[in-house]
Amino acid sequence: EAQVTQNPRYLITVTGKKLTVTCSQNMNHEYMSWYRQDPGLGLRQIYYSMNVEVTDKGDVPEGYKVSRKEKRNFPLILESPSPNQTSLYFCASSFTRVFGNQPQHFGDGTRLSIL
Amino acid sequence: QKEVEQNSGPLSVPEGAIASLNCTYSDRVSQSFFWYRQYSGKSPELIMSIYSNGDKEDGRFTAQLNKASQYVSLLIRDSQPSDSATYLCAVNDRGSTLGRLYFGRGTQLTVWP
Repeated sequence: EAQVTQNPRYLITVTGKKLTVTCSQNMNHEYMSWYRQDPGLGLRQIYYSMNVEVTDKGDVPEGYKVSRKEKRNFPLILESPSPNQTSLYFCASSFTRVFGNQPQHFGDGTRLSIL
Repeated sequence: QKEVEQNSGPLSVPEGAIASLNCTYSDRVSQSFFWYRQYSGKSPELIMSIYSNGDKEDGRFTAQLNKASQYVSLLIRDSQPSDSATYLCAVNDRGSTLGRLYFGRGTQLTVWP
């Protein structure tokens, strides 16, 4: 089954304790992306990756890191989490085409609470 | 910064009515346009994609694209209570970041029985 898998689905942690949210897709997609979603603010892109070893900042990259060492995986790293990073996070992936992107497939989301 | 604007809502329609959701975008070179539906606490799911001017119909859903006016809309005919959700408009960037999508903030739709 084609899917984007995020782990964990829920996490409560404390300020300053490094954490990683994993994302894996089995569709051989080139493009992967991380979003956060907060009430009233919609989906905001954190980082995205066009392919292996190619990543770029989105609209709200501060406090986050990513890596793309393999095509299927795109982990999101919070080196020193703070309460303002409490949010619902989504990973998404898609094929890329020169004349228009293909639709993005979303993971089920990770609800992160930082105390 | 690309801008994608949606009618802010919330939008409330009776069961069986037509719901009309609108979206404008700032980037003239955008090529791909998507509508996603998102239930509360769930991930967005794709319901329509449109790439060329005109209408595209899929069941009760019709997407309309007008690139000259930089406008894309979604019509939901015979609205059902199960259509109650937030609808997200997404537009791709054809420029240097070929894969990047820009999302509007969403329009919350309520269909009442």
